[in-house]
Amino acid sequence: AQSVTQLGSHVSVSEGALVLLRCNYSSSVPPYLFWYVQYPNQGLQLLLKYTSAATLVKGINGFEAEFKKSETSFHLTKPSAHMSDAAEYFCAVSHTGGFKTIFGAGTRLFVKA
Amino acid sequence: NAGVTQTPKFQVLKTGQSMTLQCAQDMNHNSMYWYRQDPGMGLRLIYYSASEGTTDKGEVPNGYNVSRLNKREFSLRLESAAPSQTSVYFCATAIGTATNEKLFFGSGTQLSVL
Repeated sequence: AQSVTQLGSHVSVSEGALVLLRCNYSSSVPPYLFWYVQYPNQGLQLLLKYTSAATLVKGINGFEAEFKKSETSFHLTKPSAHMSDAAEYFCAVSHTGGFKTIFGAGTRLFVKA
Repeated sequence: NAGVTQTPKFQVLKTGQSMTLQCAQDMNHNSMYWYRQDPGMGLRLIYYSASEGTTDKGEVPNGYNVSRLNKREFSLRLESAAPSQTSVYFCATAIGTATNEKLFFGSGTQLSVL
């Protein structure tokens, strides 16, 4: 069975600082991995996805993530945080043998002025 | 273009009451999903529908029923609401059923069961 673990339920950074949100996955086959973002009182929207074409994936709003098979990780980064990045971020993996997406517990990002 | 529309946005129920959450999409997507979101647990799949006329259980189906009325609409019914069903419910769609497809989400229904 596939699963996703997000390290840290809350992360706080200063505006302009590096953002690093951690995600580790468990999968017996090459996975499809996703990062979604949820702004207050909204549904989730896709930031980026990994589909084996390239290990470094660039997404919207300056975010990127690197797939590291040896570490079973797919961490999300952004070089310089902006106040508008404050949101909850979810790592997800598509389910083997089907098309169901499994989500991590989420990491809430706080950005301090 | 509305995308994925959920109604109602907020609902308060008493234990034992029933209600139906509605989801409609205008993107001509084949697959539709119902998730619930609880603090510290992320999103958990309740039911899904790969195509019109088919539905399947997800991770947490107990206490819920669904209907894929047509290609556009996928409803979630609570027959006898319980406090444990207090949650935020999201409907999502995808073009098809490939494992690399992204999900499109509605804005959610916040449900409280007293």
